[in-house]
Amino acid sequence: EVQLLESGGGLVQPGGSLRLSCAASGFTFSNYAMTWVRQPPGKGLEWVSTTSGDGGSTFYADSVKGRFTISRDNSKTTLYLRMNSLRPEDTAVYYCAKVVYSSGPKFDSWGQGTLVTVSS
Amino acid sequence: DIQMTQSPSSLSVSVGDRVTITCRASQSISTYLNWYQQKPGKAPKLLIYATSSLQSGVPSRFSGSGSGTDFTLTISSLQPEDFATYYCQQSYNTPQTFGQGTKVEIK
Repeated sequence: EVQLLESGGGLVQPGGSLRLSCAASGFTFSNYAMTWVRQPPGKGLEWVSTTSGDGGSTFYADSVKGRFTISRDNSKTTLYLRMNSLRPEDTAVYYCAKVVYSSGPKFDSWGQGTLVTVSS
Repeated sequence: DIQMTQSPSSLSVSVGDRVTITCRASQSISTYLNWYQQKPGKAPKLLIYATSSLQSGVPSRFSGSGSGTDFTLTISSLQPEDFATYYCQQSYNTPQTFGQGTKVEIK
């Protein structure tokens, strides 16, 4: 059974930094691209970033480009999101998800999410 | 970026009703369209991918159709566990944008 467990969320001041982790199990982690999706309180879903299975390719939403860095450690089966220069509009629940390519990418398994609150 | 627009934003229905949710893309996305279900306080769940392919374990009362810019999610007979918010997502290119969501509520 695929399991994804996010951690690292919390309250941070504007301009601060945070690193989220997503511990994966139940599948061959290095074979799959992984992604982060966020959801501000009471609002819809926004794709944030995706990394390939070997971590060699990364993609970012314009809203986080230059501030966020996605990475992975395949030996630890863990996905990361380093978030710098945080803004109040980054406040959201952050989900990690496994990506499967089948007539386009689909996010077929999701973690439970971790809440990031950016506020002074 | 490709804009995804869902309609309606919400609807009130009864158990057993047939439900149809539409999603329109701002440009053609072929059949690169996924649907997700999200219940309050829970992570989204993949229901349908590539417009009409049912994800493993999803009940057959869910179906999807469309191509190009116009897509539909249909629930043939709404069950109590189907009250949730539904999101479409284009997987044609990056960024993989989502619709704003359609909340299905109990009448």
